[in-house]
Amino acid sequence: EDQVTQSPEALRLQEGESSSLNCSYTVSGLRGLFWYRQDPGKGPEFLFTLYSAGEEKEKERLKATLTKKESFLHITAPKPEDSATYLCAVQARWNNDMRFGAGTRLTVKP
Amino acid sequence: GAVVSQHPSRVICKSGTSVKIECRSLDFQATTMFWYRQFPKQSLMLMATSNEGSKATYEQGVEKDKFLINHASLTLSTLTVTSAHPEDSSFYICSASRSTSGSHYTQYFGPGTRLTVL
Repeated sequence: EDQVTQSPEALRLQEGESSSLNCSYTVSGLRGLFWYRQDPGKGPEFLFTLYSAGEEKEKERLKATLTKKESFLHITAPKPEDSATYLCAVQARWNNDMRFGAGTRLTVKP
Repeated sequence: GAVVSQHPSRVICKSGTSVKIECRSLDFQATTMFWYRQFPKQSLMLMATSNEGSKATYEQGVEKDKFLINHASLTLSTLTVTSAHPEDSSFYICSASRSTSGSHYTQYFGPGTRLTVL
């Protein structure tokens, strides 16, 4: 069965303090790994899709990387507005649905 | 592009009544839409996959007679919570699947609907 495990569960950073979020996965044939950002009371906002090991994508202060077993979301010099829950999800080759991890709640203090 | 809307954003109803939630893809066509449920501080739980023109596929443990899904067009899926009870109170989120390239699909999410059953 496909599984997604995110760590840490919660992360508190000072503004400017860079760090990484981890997403470990097992899936029978990866079609894609997705990162979303979710603010309280809102739907997830799409950030990145990674399709193969070694792939990297960047958007502002965020950079996502992918290996055969895990993905990292690196946050460089975060700002308070980066505070949110970051969700990782995997999609198998055989279907269109996704399995989500529990998320990492990021808090960036000014 | 890839905007998904949900209506209503919040609904409060009495126990025993039915509530319909609409999910629309505004700038693309979606043959597949998904319905999720999210409890406070928990991740998204997939309830069902909605395919245009065919019956929805429900996840194990989700009552299909209680959560009625209709996907009548390529831009609209509806979720009806029938005979709602307080334990159905939750945050319901839909997503629409959009092809990005070849066999790759990305899900774009709506803003969610907060259901409170009194």
